[in-house]
Amino acid sequence: EIVLTQSPGTLSLSPGERATLSCRASQSVSSSYLAWYQQKPGQPPRLLIYGASSRATGIPDRFSGSGSGTDFTLTISRLEPEDFAVYYCQQYGSSPPITFGQGTRLEIK
Amino acid sequence: EVQLVESGGGLVQPGGSLRLSCAASGFTFSSYWMNWVRQAPGKGLEWVANIKQDGSEKYYVDSVKGRFTISRDNAKNSLYLQMNSLRAEDTAVYYCCSGLYYFDYWGQGTLVTVSS
Repeated sequence: EIVLTQSPGTLSLSPGERATLSCRASQSVSSSYLAWYQQKPGQPPRLLIYGASSRATGIPDRFSGSGSGTDFTLTISRLEPEDFAVYYCQQYGSSPPITFGQGTRLEIK
Repeated sequence: EVQLVESGGGLVQPGGSLRLSCAASGFTFSSYWMNWVRQAPGKGLEWVANIKQDGSEKYYVDSVKGRFTISRDNAKNSLYLQMNSLRAEDTAVYYCCSGLYYFDYWGQGTLVTVSS
């Protein structure tokens, strides 16, 4: 089973700042199979990034994804008030097919 | 507009059964892998099961194997999750979502509470 470890657990920043979220895999993950989601309280997750670096439909270009192998990063270039939420990475692999990271909470400083 | 609407959640005793449904509209349901993903209260996301477009392949997380069964009815644009031998640790919001490598459409979820 591929374990995804996200860091930090909580990130405290101010609007306008840059956010860098990390997702590290216990084994190599194909870049095609790494995604990022945003979840706000009481809502389902929303797909932000797929294929490690492709933005989903309607996602602002301040969100970007990068990385390969075992290290992946979600960057929010300039935080807006609506960006404060929990972020999850997710991979598709072999067995079990799909796993999520434990999440990073992005909170207002 | 794409819609996924889950139903069937509720309170059930340990050892009991429940059947969740997910009604899909606004996209070609029969062309997509479909999934159930759950989230325990205050916790992260856990993928539970998925099913291929024609129902010929199904996969489960180890913790539900032998207890949960995923199925679909493409004629009714519906996804199901039959949950048997429920345990307290199955308490969660259950989401249905579409896709194989990543999940682009999600429902609002249905809450399952397993408690005596």
